[in-house]
Amino acid sequence: AQKVTQAQTEISVVEKEDVTLDCVYETRDTTYYLFWYKQPPSGELVFLIRRNSFDEQNEISGRYSWNFQKSTSSFNFTITASQVVDSAVYFCALSEFMEYGNKLVFGAGTILRVKS
Amino acid sequence: DTEVTQTPKHLVMGMTNKKSLKCEQHMGHRAMYWYKQKAKKPPELMFVYSYEKLSINESVPSRFSPECPNSSLLNLHLHALQPEDSALYLCASSQDRGGNEQFFGPGTRLTVL
Repeated sequence: AQKVTQAQTEISVVEKEDVTLDCVYETRDTTYYLFWYKQPPSGELVFLIRRNSFDEQNEISGRYSWNFQKSTSSFNFTITASQVVDSAVYFCALSEFMEYGNKLVFGAGTILRVKS
Repeated sequence: DTEVTQTPKHLVMGMTNKKSLKCEQHMGHRAMYWYKQKAKKPPELMFVYSYEKLSINESVPSRFSPECPNSSLLNLHLHALQPEDSALYLCASSQDRGGNEQFFGPGTRLTVL
């Protein structure tokens, strides 16, 4: 079965610090997709990135960057120069393909608190 | 327009009530999902609709009844709920049932008394 582990339950940083959120996954599929979502206090899950298993290129989007390493089954997320608005719960997720559909398997989430 | 809307935002109901949660998307997505999220936990999948047909039911109790009237709408009918069903109910949609990203609505915060 698919599994996603986010070992960091909670991280606190001071504004402008860089912070990395770890994600380790387990899957027997050769084709799979990995995702990161942000959930601010308002509750809505905001899609951040999707990465397929054949694309190991790292990606940068503004202050956000992602490091995907198949060799270690990791898909880590770094926020550079963190801001208070980055405070949220961050979920890493893995697609699980089922006969009649696809489901997201989420990690437990990491609470990020950015203090001013 | 990458928006999924959900109504109501908050709902309080007794254990004998019947209520419905509604979800709508206008992105032309053909897969829609219901998730349940308890406090401090990740979302858990409940149902998947693909091309308006129920394709996944994650062993959800029958007091939750999903309905997909058309490709843009998804309902969740609630009946005889228990207090432990209190949670945030999230709707999501994706282009199809493959590995595409899912876009989530703001959720309905349900309290069962």
